[in-house]
Amino acid sequence: NAGVTQTPKFQVLKTGQSMTLQCAQDMNHEYMSWYRQDPGMGLRLIHYSVGAGITDQGEVPNGYNVSRSTTEDFPLRLLSAAPSQTSVYFCASSPTRNQGSGYTFGSGTRLTVV
Amino acid sequence: TQLLEQSPQFLSIQEGENLTVYCNSSSVFSSLQWYRQEPGEGPVLLVTVVTGGEVKKLKRLTFQFGDARKDSSLHITAAQPGDTGLYLCAGTQGGSEKLVFGKGMKLTVNP
Repeated sequence: NAGVTQTPKFQVLKTGQSMTLQCAQDMNHEYMSWYRQDPGMGLRLIHYSVGAGITDQGEVPNGYNVSRSTTEDFPLRLLSAAPSQTSVYFCASSPTRNQGSGYTFGSGTRLTVV
Repeated sequence: TQLLEQSPQFLSIQEGENLTVYCNSSSVFSSLQWYRQEPGEGPVLLVTVVTGGEVKKLKRLTFQFGDARKDSSLHITAAQPGDTGLYLCAGTQGGSEKLVFGKGMKLTVNP
């Protein structure tokens, strides 16, 4: 059981480049979300999805796009990378909208924008 | 504005000591979750509390949800070096699916 798989683990981008961070879960979870983690800032929600075809914005959505065409996959797209997007990105999933379920996190993607 | 405030932010203790981490808010939460994160890894769920006044125990860890569902605490008894890590509280409000995090408490347990 793989859980939540994020790829790549590390990435260096030049300012202005675009890329997609991949996230896949094999637990048939309805809810998926993307967070970024920066020193001293904790985990901040970028975008989330409550099911295939449904996405919504979190606290810090600017500069990022998401889509959810299948239950399993929830890619995060950086449209034009900026140094301020240097961070560690985590994808998480939860089985239902039941808030007591808890979230399963991937191991993260460390992104550096130069 | 940080919805969930954790204290202390850093703690370095000796093996065998006890400690308590606090997670406070001025807002009511429908659930509070505690996670532990090790360097280079994603957070791992320790516990979820959903009822005001609820107490849950996980070996040497005791979690409590405040009666008013605005705060939570994590108490570790006889800390061990393996407890070293970043402890994060997170919560959901009302019918929202969004999980918001505190900034975390970095714990170091020295042998």
